[in-house]
Amino acid sequence: AQTVTQSQPEMSVQEAETVTLSCTYDTSENNYYLFWYKQPPSRQMILVIRQEAYKQQNATENRFSVNFQKAAKSFSLKISDSQLGDTAMYFCAFPWRGGATNKLIFGTGTLLAVQP
Amino acid sequence: ETGVTQSPTHLIKTRGQQVTLRCSSQSGHNTVSWYQQALGQGPQFIFQYYREEENGRGNFPPRFSGLQFPNYSSELNVNALELDDSALYLCASRKTKGAIAEAFFGQGTRLTVV
Repeated sequence: AQTVTQSQPEMSVQEAETVTLSCTYDTSENNYYLFWYKQPPSRQMILVIRQEAYKQQNATENRFSVNFQKAAKSFSLKISDSQLGDTAMYFCAFPWRGGATNKLIFGTGTLLAVQP
Repeated sequence: ETGVTQSPTHLIKTRGQQVTLRCSSQSGHNTVSWYQQALGQGPQFIFQYYREEENGRGNFPPRFSGLQFPNYSSELNVNALELDDSALYLCASRKTKGAIAEAFFGQGTRLTVV
């Protein structure tokens, strides 16, 4: 069964500094996506970045980048030049397909606080 | 292009009552999924609707049911509410049932059962 583990319930970082959030997952599939979602106090789940497993190059979106280690089943999110607006819950997610169903399996989340 | 909208944003119900939550999918999207997010947890998949039919379900009892309408909007119904049903309910829509990479979420409905 696919599982997603986030071992850091909370993290704190100073504004303008860099922080890395960790995620590990378990799957027997070879081709898949991985996602990081941000959930600010407004509650809406916002896609931050996605990685396709067959691509060796790590995905980058502006200040957000990932370190994808397929063999280790590790998918960490690096936020550079942290901003106050980055304060949110961050969820790592893995899409699971079974029959006609496509669903996202989420980790338990990391609460990131950016301090001024 | 409108986003995913959910209503109401908050509501309080009494144990044993029934509730209906609504979701308007993003324009051009025909697949809607519902998730339950308990406090301090990640979202858990409830079920998925594609072209007005349920075609996938998570580990939730039958008192959780849904509908999808011809305009692809959706409802989540919960009967015989229990205290543990208190959670944030998220709706996500996407263009096709296979396009998991394109899912967009609404802002959720916060349900409190007392």
